[in-house]
Amino acid sequence: DAGVTQSPTHLIKTRGQQVTLRCSPKSGHDTVSWYQQALGQGPQFIFQYYEEEERQRGNFPDRFSGHQFPNYSSELNVNALLLGDSALYLCASSLTGQRMNTEAFFGQGTRLTVV
Amino acid sequence: AQSVTQLDSHVSVSEGTPVLLRCNYSSSYSPSLFWYVQHPNKGLQLLLKYTSAATLVKGINGFEAEFKKSETSFHLTKPSAHMSDAAEYFCVVSDRRNTPLVFGKGTRLSVIA
Repeated sequence: DAGVTQSPTHLIKTRGQQVTLRCSPKSGHDTVSWYQQALGQGPQFIFQYYEEEERQRGNFPDRFSGHQFPNYSSELNVNALLLGDSALYLCASSLTGQRMNTEAFFGQGTRLTVV
Repeated sequence: AQSVTQLDSHVSVSEGTPVLLRCNYSSSYSPSLFWYVQHPNKGLQLLLKYTSAATLVKGINGFEAEFKKSETSFHLTKPSAHMSDAAEYFCVVSDRRNTPLVFGKGTRLSVIA
């Protein structure tokens, strides 16, 4: 089992550019959540995808958008990059439908640097 | 709305001595509580979780945590620290199934030889 895989691992972009990050969930999982972890902070929830639709969203601007594909993989897109978008972006997968809160499995993250 | 307060941003212990990382939570519902660990340049790994079963929860690598509703606390402990325990630890709360995880700001654990 490959677990949650994210690509790329590191990325450097210029202010104003657009970026796409990718995530493949753990085998058998159908729900993908994205988190932003700024340096020295805990992860902050961006949004969650289930059945190819955005199910929940945190307090992030519309510049942050996403997509989930039929195979449950997901993309995070950020437009008009700002210096403040520099962070570690974490993808977490889980399984919807279980009685109790399921464990969320995290990927290694994508380190985005905006210059 | 739920929130988590990790009471110490940095804890330093000697190898072989006990570890205590403190966490208080706020939740409108019966919460699920988690502790995750993050080693440098790594993703997050689940140490343990509380989901309304036994209040004393045992996790991996000798860690355990006790859910105390009256104190709204979920402190993480380990009897004897190992050098490999040095990492960032996050206390996390979630109100309901598949709701977003809410993270604390983290506690950096240093282990001195």
